[in-house]
Amino acid sequence: EVQLLESGGALVQPGGSLRLSCAASGFTFSGFAMSWVRQAPGKGLEWVSSVNNDAVGKFYADSVKGRFTIFRDNSRNTLYLQMNSLRGEDTALYYCAKFRGGTYRQYHFDYWGQGTLVTVSS
Amino acid sequence: VLTQPPSVSVAPGQTARLTCGGNRIGSQSVHWYQQRPGQPPVLVVFDDFDRPSGIPDRFSGSNSGNTAALTITGVEAGDEADYYCQVWDDSGDPGWVFGGGTKLTVL
Repeated sequence: EVQLLESGGALVQPGGSLRLSCAASGFTFSGFAMSWVRQAPGKGLEWVSSVNNDAVGKFYADSVKGRFTIFRDNSRNTLYLQMNSLRGEDTALYYCAKFRGGTYRQYHFDYWGQGTLVTVSS
Repeated sequence: VLTQPPSVSVAPGQTARLTCGGNRIGSQSVHWYQQRPGQPPVLVVFDDFDRPSGIPDRFSGSNSGNTAALTITGVEAGDEADYYCQVWDDSGDPGWVFGGGTKLTVL
């Protein structure tokens, strides 16, 4: 059974930093691209960042580019999101999601974690 | 940019058609997610019309021209949820995009 368990969410002040983790199990982690998707309270889904299975190819939404860094440790089956210079608009539930698909245009999220809450406020 | 109507309402047993509009979306692969309150999203259709195992065949997808659609036949109370479409966008900095979501209400 595929499981994705996020952790690291917290209340942080504007300008602060936070690192999220996602522990994966039930599949060959090193074989799949992974992503972070967030959802602000009462709002829709927003793709944040993705990383290829080889940890080389990385993609970021414009809203987080230059502030967030995605990385993974295939030896630990864990995905990370380093978030710096946090803003109020980063407040959201952050989901870890597994990608499936043959090409980027076919990539879809076939498994999701339960999410970890990040609140940016003074 | 993907455009979804904010809300759609249907009576139980009827058919709901949820649309996702975008420029030449018919040339994209469109994926659909169902999100019930307080739950993470669940994939219901991928690659325009394929269903993951466990998703009933009441859920079907189509995609042509500037509109993709998720059709739910024989709507049940348990189908009440938010539904999001998603595509790959390489028109600028490449990445993935979600539509704004449609709230399906079962009357």
